[in-house]
Amino acid sequence: DVKVTQSSRYLVKRTGEKVFLECVQDMDHENMFWYRQDPGLGLRLIYFSYDVKMKEKGDIPEGYSVSREKKERFSLILESASTNQTSMYLCASSLPMSGRAYEQYFGPGTRLTVT
Amino acid sequence: TQLLEQSPQFLSIQEGENLTVYCNSSSVFSSLQWYRQEPGEGPVLLVTVVTGGEVKKLKRLTFQFGDARKDSSLHITAAQPGDTGLYLCAGDWLDNDMRFGAGTRLTVKP
Repeated sequence: DVKVTQSSRYLVKRTGEKVFLECVQDMDHENMFWYRQDPGLGLRLIYFSYDVKMKEKGDIPEGYSVSREKKERFSLILESASTNQTSMYLCASSLPMSGRAYEQYFGPGTRLTVT
Repeated sequence: TQLLEQSPQFLSIQEGENLTVYCNSSSVFSSLQWYRQEPGEGPVLLVTVVTGGEVKKLKRLTFQFGDARKDSSLHITAAQPGDTGLYLCAGDWLDNDMRFGAGTRLTVKP
């Protein structure tokens, strides 16, 4: 079974702090994704990566950056956390575009609260 | 930007009842996925549909892809409390845009 793990289930940070969310997958997937999920808005794509050191902006990249130094690890960085970044953050991975790119496997999520 | 609509937004039923939830777009999908998300967890992939008119079954769940590949439905027979969760559809279109719907939150009462 594919396993996607996220570094924290719950996180509380203060406004202005730098926040790191880490995601690791064990199935050698090329694609990795970061989403945020808010009530009534569904999942919104922040960034995705289709290879090591490659990244593409999603629908809502403002205020976020990402890093992918190794194939299995994809990090989301909030440079200066703000209260409107309080949300559930979900990481996912999938096989490459030529295959089943849209069948994504998700981690359990990190519920981030910024106070 | 493509739009993907799910209905109903909320659904509360008694154990043993049948239900259908819907996922619609104004554009043709290349493929469509259904996921179920339980509280406090990430979504779990249930099925992918690709061919217009395709029907897939997963125990008591039946997934149908519209002939025109613009819509899909998920039908649950004899719902159980364990079916409670958020049902999400996700579609990708011919221009490689991909997005999730807002979901249908299902509650099945014992």
